[in-house]
Amino acid sequence: DSGVTQTPKHLITATGQRVTLRCSPRSGDLSVYWYQQSLDQGLQFLIQYYNGEERAKGNILERFSAQQFPDLHSELNLSSLELGDSALYFCASRATSGGAGELFFGEGSRLTVL
Amino acid sequence: TQLLEQSPQFLSIQEGENLTVYCNSSSVFSSLQWYRQEPGEGPVLLVTVVTGGEVKKLKRLTFQFGDARKDSSLHITAAQPGDTGLYLCAGAGETSGSRLTFGEGTQLTVNP
Repeated sequence: DSGVTQTPKHLITATGQRVTLRCSPRSGDLSVYWYQQSLDQGLQFLIQYYNGEERAKGNILERFSAQQFPDLHSELNLSSLELGDSALYFCASRATSGGAGELFFGEGSRLTVL
Repeated sequence: TQLLEQSPQFLSIQEGENLTVYCNSSSVFSSLQWYRQEPGEGPVLLVTVVTGGEVKKLKRLTFQFGDARKDSSLHITAAQPGDTGLYLCAGAGETSGSRLTFGEGTQLTVNP
């Protein structure tokens, strides 16, 4: 158990819909990272928050947005869903914003868009 | 954008064999990590290397960071079925700040 909790574990929805994925980081961790894992693209970095503020941004689509709340949990919002958005979405946390610290991953949210 | 290329992408071997997985980039990394991911779970950290030329051993696994800090390798001795999984390298760039860039991964299957 990494201490990072992601909900829901599985989600099936239709194209054009909007979903929200939730992440609770490890106790005490201020940084939250979101990654997308597809079969053909490995782990793609989406966005990072540190103590409520956006710290780094990857190839996140404009249809996607995220935020980190005062209690440090984070949400990833995916809208106008397309078939290609089907993937595993991972949240990871660590104590610091950068450096060589370990990333602790949740078990992921598997999104299927039909 | 910093890219990490892993090879091979897929590896299927028999129990007891040795293997090496490579992680290469044209960029310099301040540190490099190796993770292992099993089906239905998130990646779990195996090791972090930070110094060029550094070698770290974890039981039957040996990790090396290239002298120029652009590449790394993972060598497994006498592989066991329990080593089966997706091995991912991830680099923290000198200019990318807090972002951790992952390679595509090497899917290892060790057959009994």
